[in-house]
Amino acid sequence: GAGVSQSPRYKVAKRGQDVALRCDPISGHVSLFWYQQALGQGPEFLTYFQNEAQLDKSGLPSDRFFAERPEGSVSTLKIQRTQQEDSAVYLCASRGVMGGPNEQFFGPGTRLTVL
Amino acid sequence: AQSVTQPDIHITVSEGASLELRCNYSYGATPYLFWYVQSPGQGLQLLLKYFSGDTLVQGIKGFEAEFKRSQSSFNLRKPSVHWSDAAEYFCAVAPSGAGSYQLTFGKGTKLSVIP
Repeated sequence: GAGVSQSPRYKVAKRGQDVALRCDPISGHVSLFWYQQALGQGPEFLTYFQNEAQLDKSGLPSDRFFAERPEGSVSTLKIQRTQQEDSAVYLCASRGVMGGPNEQFFGPGTRLTVL
Repeated sequence: AQSVTQPDIHITVSEGASLELRCNYSYGATPYLFWYVQSPGQGLQLLLKYFSGDTLVQGIKGFEAEFKRSQSSFNLRKPSVHWSDAAEYFCAVAPSGAGSYQLTFGKGTKLSVIP
């Protein structure tokens, strides 16, 4: 498929474990975004990449959250020492042009449950 | 800071009835405006967007939205709802300028359709 893919789709972690969530954007898309969607809420911005550069990480809730996109394609969101409040759906989106308000294409998300 | 309010958490309509979902935003200037739909287990799909120009915009699946500057609103409408429209709908805004990538979402309106 040509859409944004995310893996795993579901992840259950024990409190204190580290997790890594993967995003494969649409091929050739320059911009990549991560959002966190808590139950019953709208998505909230976490971080933004343009190619391999992380231009905005203002939405990351704590220093336990870390995102990377080393080759400007696949991105990984890592959460260290997970807490129950980290339970949410993590959405990845990509966009095809560098500037302007063009559409962000969203993946299906990874549902993280921290026990 | 920009914000988005979707006053209705849950709306139920009969199939074939008309639909209007409300969205109000708070922002210093006219932002870019979006409506997304999210079906269970699916990512967000863009229904329509407003950047400038004609204040009535047409989208996919028979949806339209009207931007009203005086009311800071961007309400979504559909003249005749189909059972497959049952989903959660999110209004979102982005700054119209530098930083236009950062989407701010409302909390969503869940639409149920009675056959």
